[in-house]
Amino acid sequence: GQQLNQSPQSMFIQEGEDVSMNCTSSSIFNTWLWYKQDPGEGPVLLIALYKAGELTSNGRLTAQFGITRKDSFLNISASIPSDVGIYFCAGPPKTSYDKVIFGPGTSLSVIP
Amino acid sequence: DTGVSQNPRHKITKRGQNVTFRCDPISEHNRLYWYRQTLGQGPEFLTYFQNEAQLEKSRLLSDRFSAERPKGSFSTLEIQRTEQGDSAMYLCASSLGASGGTDTQYFGPGTRLTVL
Repeated sequence: GQQLNQSPQSMFIQEGEDVSMNCTSSSIFNTWLWYKQDPGEGPVLLIALYKAGELTSNGRLTAQFGITRKDSFLNISASIPSDVGIYFCAGPPKTSYDKVIFGPGTSLSVIP
Repeated sequence: DTGVSQNPRHKITKRGQNVTFRCDPISEHNRLYWYRQTLGQGPEFLTYFQNEAQLEKSRLLSDRFSAERPKGSFSTLEIQRTEQGDSAMYLCASSLGASGGTDTQYFGPGTRLTVL
């Protein structure tokens, strides 16, 4: 079945540093979603991308929809302690817009 | 609070017992989804409803699992004869039901199930 891969699996960075993470798929996606999950909570949508090549920002977060439609990138600039959490990429598979599949996540730790 | 709510937040049960979780979606959201999340993994789709109709079920949803949304508002997920492998976070999400892959799902805080 369709599967999403995320890298890196985990990151430890100093406060103030920029962060980059990516998500890849073996098949084409028409929508890419980036969620953040805090411990003990449900995922919260950060950015949604609907068009190949699209670059979208949400505050210090910027995400890009890869031109091949098989990848997406999330960047966080000037990280702060509250950026700690797990970041998931997700998207509806081409065969079904009605459900969303998630990657395994990138765990981010920010050292003050 | 107008977000998705789930009850209970935590449930500890003994193997073999039945458990039921409730999800209240954002009002006026037509679609309601159930996901399961285990440690170190992303959420996995279980099933979803369009109003009161259950439209799709994952292979993960064994015969011991049943979900209902009787009036098209809140939903319940029941697990019968729980097994230790059922221990996970059960997440509910709702959406308006927009077409074309632009539908946005909003998640609740989840119910963490521990089966002893």
